[in-house]
Amino acid sequence: DSGVTQTPKHLITATGQRVTLRCSPRSGDLSVYWYQQSLDQGLQFLIQYYNGEERAKGNILERFSAQQFPDLHSELNLSSLELGDSALYFCASSPEGQGVGRQYFGPGTRLTVT
Amino acid sequence: GNSVTQMEGPVTLSEEAFLTINCTYTATGYPSLFWYVQYPGEGLQLLLKATKADDKGSNKGFEATYRKETTSFHLEKGSVQVSDSAVYFCASGGGGSYIPTFGRGTSLIVHP
Repeated sequence: DSGVTQTPKHLITATGQRVTLRCSPRSGDLSVYWYQQSLDQGLQFLIQYYNGEERAKGNILERFSAQQFPDLHSELNLSSLELGDSALYFCASSPEGQGVGRQYFGPGTRLTVT
Repeated sequence: GNSVTQMEGPVTLSEEAFLTINCTYTATGYPSLFWYVQYPGEGLQLLLKATKADDKGSNKGFEATYRKETTSFHLEKGSVQVSDSAVYFCASGGGGSYIPTFGRGTSLIVHP
């Protein structure tokens, strides 16, 4: 158990809908990372927050957004969903904000868009 | 930007065989390098890491050495077990970049 929790575990929704994925980092970790894992694209870094502020942005679509709250949990919002958004979404946390150190991954949320 | 390239899988081995999974990186600075492992249905777990040139990371019989001259971080294990069957990801981070970069993953299948 990494100490990172993600909810829900599975999510099935229709095209055009909006969903919110939630992540609680390990106690004391200030950094939260979001990733998308699909068969054709592999593991893609989406975005990082550090202590409530956006720190780095990767291949995140404009239809996607994220935020980190004062209690350090984070939410990833996916809107106008398309079939191609079906994937595993991982959250990871890290105590470090400078650069990239060890990350602790959650179990993931499997999103299926029908 | 930074990038990580690792050999495509699946790699299929018999138990007790020697394992090598190749990984090379490109980076503008001197990143830290990592190997993560993902077992079926789970998130990634750190397997080992190295933070500077010539460092050797090791864990659970796996080893990888940070080679600056060849920009490589190959994963090796002398004798694999069935329980090592998983997907292995090479990753880089730091070295002036906040963006973590992962390879596409290499699936390892070990037969008894």
